[in-house]
Amino acid sequence: SQQGEEDPQALSIQEGENATMNCSYKTSINNLQWYRQNSGRGLVHLILIRSNEREKHSGRLRVTLDTSKKSSSLLITASRAADTASYFCATGVSRLMDTGRRALTFGSGTRLQVQP
Amino acid sequence: EPEVTQTPSHQVTQMGQEVILRCVPISNHLYFYWYRQILGQKVEFLVSFYNNEISEKSEIFDDQFSVERPDGSNFTLKIRSTKLEDSAMYFCASSRTGPGANVLTFGAGSRLTVL
Repeated sequence: SQQGEEDPQALSIQEGENATMNCSYKTSINNLQWYRQNSGRGLVHLILIRSNEREKHSGRLRVTLDTSKKSSSLLITASRAADTASYFCATGVSRLMDTGRRALTFGSGTRLQVQP
Repeated sequence: EPEVTQTPSHQVTQMGQEVILRCVPISNHLYFYWYRQILGQKVEFLVSFYNNEISEKSEIFDDQFSVERPDGSNFTLKIRSTKLEDSAMYFCASSRTGPGANVLTFGAGSRLTVL
């Protein structure tokens, strides 16, 4: 499957530090998305990067995509205690690609703990 | 901000009982999904629904599961005869577009506990 897998599984940092999470996937994709999940809540979309893009920014978030390595990274700069959550990457394929599941497929997530 | 609403937030049921989880997707969205998350584990795809029919389903979505859009607003997931391993958080999601560039909006989830 094209399922993404995040690394590390858990990350603990101090407020103000940067947090970097990585995602690897297996098959060709149309786009890769990052979602955030607060404990016991639904997932919230953060950012989408298309397969022809290499880097994208949104506020304190920076996402990179390397399709040759089938990997992506999410960088949160100047972290805050409120960034404490689980972060998931999700891969999407185009209907035309037909490389497997078309529905958005999520990885296992990285649990980020930001200590105040 | 439009949101996906799910009911109930928590349901406790006995093994073998039928459960219906309800969702109201965002009104101008055309694609609807159910995902589940066993405590602390990955978010797993169950089924997607478009134009009043299932467009894709996973191997988890076996004969005991069914989905329905009984009216213009609700989207339901039925589990016919619950098993202990069905205990999980069930998330409904919707998107305006389909596979390719579909950003999902998730509900807050329904926690199902099977005893």
